[in-house]
Amino acid sequence: ELKVEQNPLFLSMQEGKNYTIYCNYSTTSDRLYWYRQDPGKSLESLFVLLSNGAVKQEGRLMASLDTKARLSTLHITAAVHDLSATYFCAVVPWAGNMLTFGGGTRLMVKP
Amino acid sequence: EAGVAQSPRYKIIEKRQSVAFWCNPISGHATLYWYQQILGQGPKLLIQFQNNGVVDDSQLPKDRFSAERLKGVDSTLKIQPAKLEDSAVYLCASSFGTGQETQYFGPGTRLLVL
Repeated sequence: ELKVEQNPLFLSMQEGKNYTIYCNYSTTSDRLYWYRQDPGKSLESLFVLLSNGAVKQEGRLMASLDTKARLSTLHITAAVHDLSATYFCAVVPWAGNMLTFGGGTRLMVKP
Repeated sequence: EAGVAQSPRYKIIEKRQSVAFWCNPISGHATLYWYQQILGQGPKLLIQFQNNGVVDDSQLPKDRFSAERLKGVDSTLKIQPAKLEDSAVYLCASSFGTGQETQYFGPGTRLLVL
């Protein structure tokens, strides 16, 4: 059974600071997704990472994938309040189609 | 382009009652998914359709949950009878295919079972 673990589960940070969210998964995969969820809202797709070494950036967020380590990171640069949300990573195993989500990282950026 | 539509947005029922949720995917998307998201957790896949056929329903509690997608477009998810632990947000998502395409999520139906 595929397990996806994120850490930290909760992150409170000051505006302007940098931080990294980690996503570990337990089986071979070359498809990893990052989603954002605002309170009471649905999930918004941020990044799709499809190969080892893939790196994608959008604004203050940058995601990377290391399939050998079974690890993805979501790096936040110079955080702003608007980034406050819950971030989920989700993985599709190499021999399957089911998307399995991590437990989420709740990010709170304080002014 | 219109997104994934779901209704109702909120539903409160008593345990042992039945409830149904409706989803209309993005036009042209062949694959439709139903997820259950319990408060504080990530979404869990319940069932995946490719057109009107079931691709994966391994995590669907079939003794009380059922889903259908008769014409390969809209879908309904039913719970009968509901239990307290079914309280959750039920999310519908769709994608163009089942390969590397991103899944796009609807706003969800928030269910409270009393």
